[in-house]
Amino acid sequence: RKEVEQDPGPFNVPEGATVAFNCTYSNSASQSFFWYRQDCRKEPKLLMSVYSSGNEDGRFTAQLNRASQYISLLIRDSKLSDSATYLCVVNIVQGKLIFGAGTRLAVHP
Amino acid sequence: NAGVMQNPRHLVRRRGQEARLRCSPMKGHSHVYWYRQLPEEGLKFMVYLQKENIIDESGMPKERFSAEFPKEGPSILRIQQVVRGDSAAYFCASSPLGTSRGTGEQYFGPGTRLTVT
Repeated sequence: RKEVEQDPGPFNVPEGATVAFNCTYSNSASQSFFWYRQDCRKEPKLLMSVYSSGNEDGRFTAQLNRASQYISLLIRDSKLSDSATYLCVVNIVQGKLIFGAGTRLAVHP
Repeated sequence: NAGVMQNPRHLVRRRGQEARLRCSPMKGHSHVYWYRQLPEEGLKFMVYLQKENIIDESGMPKERFSAEFPKEGPSILRIQQVVRGDSAAYFCASSPLGTSRGTGEQYFGPGTRLTVT
């Protein structure tokens, strides 16, 4: 079993749609959780950290369920510029990030 | 404030040659991490370094790969006797001094794309 598993994708959605990504992690000792975004052949960029209480940043909402070892990302009112690969990331021990394989999102006009 | 810098951005090596990849962390960051991304795959952790110390090298292949972060100068990832399977994007990341256990935010450089012919 992979340490971090994500929806396989790709997700093809029209502008303005709401899209949700899911992620599960296997190690219950995981300490912190993130969503990163990676554009084609570019470096990953931190989108947001994920907290147990849930957190929101503009059109983006992230949720964490430690009991189910489940993380989600909701994007509302999708823009063309949201097209990218979204990476679910878990930190188990200091310094070592475990990346999911990513879910590709394509937003079309 | 300059971000994480990596060079070269693209590197072509023939089988059997050595590859040296450099990473300068963000100003004020003393923790450096290296990741490898094979084509169509996710990023895999390789090594975590602080100045003059290797903290975690659990993701480094046992042979041919080494990393250092000297007191002065950039961090270096060195691959000896490269093979075709080493072709990948190598990303460096950094985090601030004093990042506590579990905080985990890291800032990535643009990567070095290594092609072995």
